[in-house]
Amino acid sequence: SAVISQKPSRDICQRGTSLTIQCQVDSQVTMMFWYRQQPGQSLTLIATANQGSEATYESGFVIDKFPISRPNLTFSTLTVSNMSPEDSSIYLCSVERGRRRGQYFGPGTRLLVL
Amino acid sequence: ELKVEQNPLFLSMQEGKNYTIYCNYSTTSDRLYWYRQDPGKSLESLFVLLSNGAVKQEGRLMASLDTKARLSTLHITAAVHDLSATYFCAVDYDSSGSRLTFGEGTQLTVNP
Repeated sequence: SAVISQKPSRDICQRGTSLTIQCQVDSQVTMMFWYRQQPGQSLTLIATANQGSEATYESGFVIDKFPISRPNLTFSTLTVSNMSPEDSSIYLCSVERGRRRGQYFGPGTRLLVL
Repeated sequence: ELKVEQNPLFLSMQEGKNYTIYCNYSTTSDRLYWYRQDPGKSLESLFVLLSNGAVKQEGRLMASLDTKARLSTLHITAAVHDLSATYFCAVDYDSSGSRLTFGEGTQLTVNP
């Protein structure tokens, strides 16, 4: 299985500020994904990040709010901009490991916005 | 829009009992995942089901997929306390094979 790390593991932020979350994978992958899990809820895909191209955002998520970088095949960042308490969630990155193995998830970043 | 529905959403059962969690989805797909999430933890991949009729088993858990009925089941046999967790099914609805839609999750509690 893939080894995925995320930084920070948790943070408490003030409204109006921005937080950048890092995701590092132990080997090169084509596609990386960012999900949000609101308290007590399921996971929702925010965007797909491919190296060398703009991220593809799902309905309801926009680049101005969640800018994503993918500078190489092992690393990606997600920024949560101009935060409000409604952004309090767990943010998870994942990688695709092939059709038969599916997606592996990072440990998540637990964000609380006050 | 793909919809994925699980039931039950909450399940409390006694050790030693059997039960089934159901996952229905609304659009044709031939790839379905089951994940486990412990409180405060990330998701652990349990099963990847790739075709109609696929059945996979690991320990006390067995998952199956019926693509014609758009239904997957996760069967728990002789439950033990260690199986207490939230279980998610997720369906791959994109032809590129990577965009997942998750069910609401089933919170399982196994009581001694």
